[in-house]
Amino acid sequence: GAGVSQSPSNKVTEKGKDVELRCDPISGHTALYWYRQSLGQGLEFLIYFQGNSAPDKSGLPSDRFSAERTGGSVSTLTIQRTQQEDSAVYLCASSLDREQYFGPGTRLTVT
Amino acid sequence: KQEVTQIPAALSVPEGENLVLNCSFTDSAIYNLQWFRQDPGKGLTSLLLIQSSQREQTSGRLNASLDKSSGRSTLYIAASQPGDSATYLCAVPFSGGYNKLIFGAGTRLAVHP
Repeated sequence: GAGVSQSPSNKVTEKGKDVELRCDPISGHTALYWYRQSLGQGLEFLIYFQGNSAPDKSGLPSDRFSAERTGGSVSTLTIQRTQQEDSAVYLCASSLDREQYFGPGTRLTVT
Repeated sequence: KQEVTQIPAALSVPEGENLVLNCSFTDSAIYNLQWFRQDPGKGLTSLLLIQSSQREQTSGRLNASLDKSSGRSTLYIAASQPGDSATYLCAVPFSGGYNKLIFGAGTRLAVHP
């Protein structure tokens, strides 16, 4: 079946611009996660959605980062006023139980 | 606070060798542990998930063990092949939870013919 998909695969933006990253989870998966992978920090948790519950935003690094999940399916991660330190690969994962399945990621480069 | 450490950071072996990758975690009260593989420029592929009540899981040439009391897991790869070359990551849930994951820095494996 179809796995987790993310778009775009690559995004280059200028410092100060806003960007939106999209994640389509596996159909039927109730949980959706965003992680960030950067050279200096490794792979770190950002935000977690479970069903209709309020999201766990405890990993978001600043208030420039936000995410929403519409209709319990597609999610969008928005970064406002991008900074060079936001450059990283943003990974989305979904799960039905405990095992998480990851998408290919979006590589964000802020110039 | 949960911390995950993977040793070694990098490993280079000739094809055919059996090898062991190590993962340790500081808070033994985990619900599960998951091993992933990441190829360069790609996302993560789930290899094995071990529940806290299990001691090991096997998939093909891969065997993962879990010793909660000592805070350790090992990933054993039998008869390694060049196609096994990748970065291997282990992850456990944040302390007190069972969903959002904390990752180790990974072991970068190179299997040469």
